[in-house]
Amino acid sequence: SAVISQKPSRDICQRGTSLTIQCQVDSQVTMMFWYRQQPGQSLTLIATANQGSEATYESGFVIDKFPISRPNLTFSTLTVSNMSPEDSSIYLCSVARDTLINYGYTFGSGTRLTVV
Amino acid sequence: AQTVTQSQPEMSVQEAETVTLSCTYDTSESNYYLFWYKQPPSRQMILVIRQEAYKQQNATENRFSVNFQKAAKSFSLKISDSQLGDTAMYFCAFMKGRYGGSQGNLIFGKGTKLSVKP
Repeated sequence: SAVISQKPSRDICQRGTSLTIQCQVDSQVTMMFWYRQQPGQSLTLIATANQGSEATYESGFVIDKFPISRPNLTFSTLTVSNMSPEDSSIYLCSVARDTLINYGYTFGSGTRLTVV
Repeated sequence: AQTVTQSQPEMSVQEAETVTLSCTYDTSESNYYLFWYKQPPSRQMILVIRQEAYKQQNATENRFSVNFQKAAKSFSLKISDSQLGDTAMYFCAFMKGRYGGSQGNLIFGKGTKLSVKP
């Protein structure tokens, strides 16, 4: 199964600044997913990132606020732009396991973002 | 649209006892997968168990088993011989799709916080 390295693991940022989160996968994957987990809440999909095309954003999330890059099949970044305290959350990337036997998802270890 | 409901925000169980976490879902899809994920304080999401909707047999993984009732759209998780390391948030999740097809995103329930007490 794929192994994902996500960084940074945590950061404290000033409001109005931006933070870029990176996910590196140890094998090529077609789709990568970015989720947000607000304090004490469940995971909400932000966008789906496919290599070579623009990311597909879910309702309530826009590219200007959460630009995503997917330059190749093993790497993606999510930027949280012009941050406010409401952006304080855990952000996780995820990839789908493509094997028929091991159908499911692998997650990065998450980035805990605090905006002050 | 698909929805996943976990009606138990918190549960506790004594070590070595058995506990069942409930999950219901709503979908008009005929092909889908259901998952239980565990998120300990380290916040790493860990796959506990997976059920393919086309399979009638309930999935089992060591101490973890599910009761999948397709007609009732119910997917409960049973943890036997609970251990302290089982303390975590447990999320039920739904994925639309069919065996061998491409995978879409997961839709999560709100989670159940499980505490295993010594």
